[in-house]
Amino acid sequence: DAGVTQSPTHLIKTRGQHVTLRCSPISGHKSVSWYQQVLGQGPQFIFQYYEKEERGRGNFPDRFSARQFPNYSSELNVNALLLGDSALYLCASSLGGTETQYFGPGTRLLVL
Amino acid sequence: GQQVMQIPQYQHVQEGEDFTTYCNSSTTLSNIQWYKQRPGGHPVFLIQLVKSGEVKKQKRLTFQFGEAKKNSSLHITATQTTDVGTYFCAAPLYDKLTFGTGTRLQVTL
Repeated sequence: DAGVTQSPTHLIKTRGQHVTLRCSPISGHKSVSWYQQVLGQGPQFIFQYYEKEERGRGNFPDRFSARQFPNYSSELNVNALLLGDSALYLCASSLGGTETQYFGPGTRLLVL
Repeated sequence: GQQVMQIPQYQHVQEGEDFTTYCNSSTTLSNIQWYKQRPGGHPVFLIQLVKSGEVKKQKRLTFQFGEAKKNSSLHITATQTTDVGTYFCAAPLYDKLTFGTGTRLQVTL
């Protein structure tokens, strides 16, 4: 079975631009969570979606938004990029809630 | 900010030495999960502990959950170079999975 996939793997943007990151969960998993991992720190929770509804939101500004599609794949959008948004963005799928997270390879975003 | 703390932040050992990382929370936890992230990789689930005082073993790795369910530890016996990486604990807090600060393990021959 395929694991969690994310695209793109790497991305370079400039300040003020917007970005869309994509994630496909493990087949059968209905929950997708997004995390931001800055170098040297643990993953920070951004969003969780379950059955296409937002179930949780971390302490991130409104520039961050996400959605989940009927096939359970998900997009993370970040508007008005700042230098501090440079990070590894991880998507994780699970059966639900705070159960075991199966992480994708991540998207490395660099904002210049 | 982080509500799950880990110590140490970094440890460098010689191959064959033991290693332990500790995870602490001020809140009673329903469960605790452990993940390993290799350099340049993504976190990979290792184990989940649920019961007070629970101890689980995976080959050279021993995981413990404290009696008060506020702390946990991961102990690696006789480290190998393949153990290199950052070890994170994670726990559900306010319905969000909160990751610890991580312990980076370096193993040299």
